[in-house]
Amino acid sequence: ETGVTQTPRHLVMGMTNKKSLKCEQHLGHNAMYWYKQSAKKPLELMFVYNFKEQTENNSVPSRFSPECPNSSHLFLHLHTLQPEDSALYLCASSQDEMGLANEKLFFGSGTQLSVL
Amino acid sequence: AQSVTQLGSHVSVSEGALVLLRCNYSSSVPPYLFWYVQYPNQGLQLLLKYTSAATLVKGINGFEAEFKKSETSFHLTKPSAHMSDAAEYFCAVTFRQGAQKLVFGQGTRLTINP
Repeated sequence: ETGVTQTPRHLVMGMTNKKSLKCEQHLGHNAMYWYKQSAKKPLELMFVYNFKEQTENNSVPSRFSPECPNSSHLFLHLHTLQPEDSALYLCASSQDEMGLANEKLFFGSGTQLSVL
Repeated sequence: AQSVTQLGSHVSVSEGALVLLRCNYSSSVPPYLFWYVQYPNQGLQLLLKYTSAATLVKGINGFEAEFKKSETSFHLTKPSAHMSDAAEYFCAVTFRQGAQKLVFGQGTRLTINP
């Protein structure tokens, strides 16, 4: 148990559906992240939030819409996805966005998304 | 720009044998280097990190890695593999720019044969 919880664990959706992924951290961290993990590809950073403010959008298509209502919760709203968006979506948190030498990322178990 | 290359997408060793997972980095300035492990159906966990102190870094579960600047490498080793080591291992690199600049390798899947 890393202290980062993601729901649901699995999600199957059609290309016209709207769904949301949820991430919650109980570690008192200030920074939260969304990563995409596809087969045979490196982890791709999607979004970063620090103190509820978005600080990084790594050229992610607008069909992915993040929301961070407070430092403990992070959502990823999905709409009109494509089959190539099927992947494992990982949420992570860290104490703060900066000062990496003294920090580490804590990851959730991910949501396995399949787009039909 | 920094990058990291993991040699071998799949490594298979026998239980009790030496584990060696290779990672080479590209960086124009001194890097911070990390190894993360992902067990089946779980997120990533930090194994160990190099942040410019000792070049030989010891991590959890008996793993260690050595930073070799001349070879731009940060290979992960464990003297004796255990069945529970079966997982995917990721090397990552960054500078002093915060976690959002962490660049991951493609991962190496480690299989342990009985």
